[in-house]
Order: sequence, then structure tokens, then C-alpha cells
Amino acid sequence: NAGVTQTPKFQVLKTGQSMTLQCAQDMNHEYMSWYRQDPGMGLRLIHYSVGAGITDQGEVPNGYNVSRSTTEDFPLRLLSAAPSQTSVYFCASAPSQPFGSEYFGPGTRLTVT
Amino acid sequence: GEDVEQSLFLSVREGDSSVINCTYTDSSSTYLYWYKQEPGAGLQLLTYIFSNMDMKQDQRLTVLLNKKDKHLSLRIADTQTGDSAIYFCAESMEAAGNKLTFGGGTRVLVKP
Repeated sequence: NAGVTQTPKFQVLKTGQSMTLQCAQDMNHEYMSWYRQDPGMGLRLIHYSVGAGITDQGEVPNGYNVSRSTTEDFPLRLLSAAPSQTSVYFCASAPSQPFGSEYFGPGTRLTVT
Repeated sequence: GEDVEQSLFLSVREGDSSVINCTYTDSSSTYLYWYKQEPGAGLQLLTYIFSNMDMKQDQRLTVLLNKKDKHLSLRIADTQTGDSAIYFCAESMEAAGNKLTFGGGTRVLVKP
């Protein structure tokens, strides 16, 4: 099993550009989530999904969209990138409950100039 | 509101015990967690404790929970250089859909 994979590892965007961060898991987990990590702030939940076709907002959803058309994939879309979205983004999946037993991906470091 | 706080940095000698502290403000926490993040990697769940427990031990790790003072600690016995990492505590509350609130992380540096 590859676990949770994320692409790309690094990305630089200009303000106003859009892009999609990819996340995939091969563990047949129902629950998937996206977090952002900013220095000294721990992780904050952006969006999460409790199963294919179901998504919900987390703590900091503004400026991001998600969809969950399959169990395996949970892409995160930045609609119009802003410097405030410069961060490290982590995708996670969980087998038995949405939070607290998650497997995290390696992260995507995004810089918006 | 929810707030989870940790000290920023801890330096410890190899072989000594490390104690990482965390305070939280919401007394209705359901579970409290400790995660480890190594450089360039995602978070790895180390251990967790249910809010009605005082202590949990798992090999070199001991978690202590003082609900009265809203204080959580992680003790690592016989600290090794491989324990150098950032450690995050987090709380979840059933009333908030069990979503996690993370502290800012404590960077632990183990010196040989």
C-alpha cells in the first residue's frame, strides 16, 4: 500500500491563479480531510469528507473547494490564489472515524507570490 | 472558544526523559492526542487518551491528563536522537463533531 499520496510536493503560484492539489489513498478509507499548517499554529481543518459524494466545511474553508467523486481521491481546489494561502497542505484519511485516527500524507508546500 | 497551547521548544540529552506539556481550555474534550512530525513528513499519531482517564502508558510513552487543571503531558523515557521532531497535542470534542483542535507544536531537539 502506498498509503496517502499527495501531488505536487512543491508549488509556486501567482496571485489570482487557480490550481488543484491532488490527494489519493489506497486503504479504502471512508474519511478524508484537508488541513493547512502555518508556522506556530498547528493544523487547521479546511474541508473533510465522510464518504464518496459527501463533503463538509472545516474551520478555514474560504477560498477552497473540494469534491469526492470516488473513495480514493479527494482533490483540493484553490479558486483564486492569495498570498494568505501560502502554507503547507496535508491530506489525511481515516478508517473508522473522521478525526483522531488519521493517516497523513507527506504534504504539499504552496507559495503564493 | 477552543485554545490549545504548547511551549515552542525543548532541548534534552540523549538517554534522559523528555516531558512535553500542553494546556487546553475546553473542559468538554472527548479525546486528547499526541502527534509527531518529522522533518518534511506528515503527522503521525503517537498515542491518545480518553478524557475520563488520568494516565496511559505505551512502551516509552506516558501520557498524563489533569482534567482539573486542563493540562496534558507526554513523557518520553530514554529519549533517542530519532525522537527529535515537532510534537503536537490536539483535542477533540463530540459536540464539535470530533474535529481536532491542534496546539502550535513543540520542537524537541535531542542532543547526543
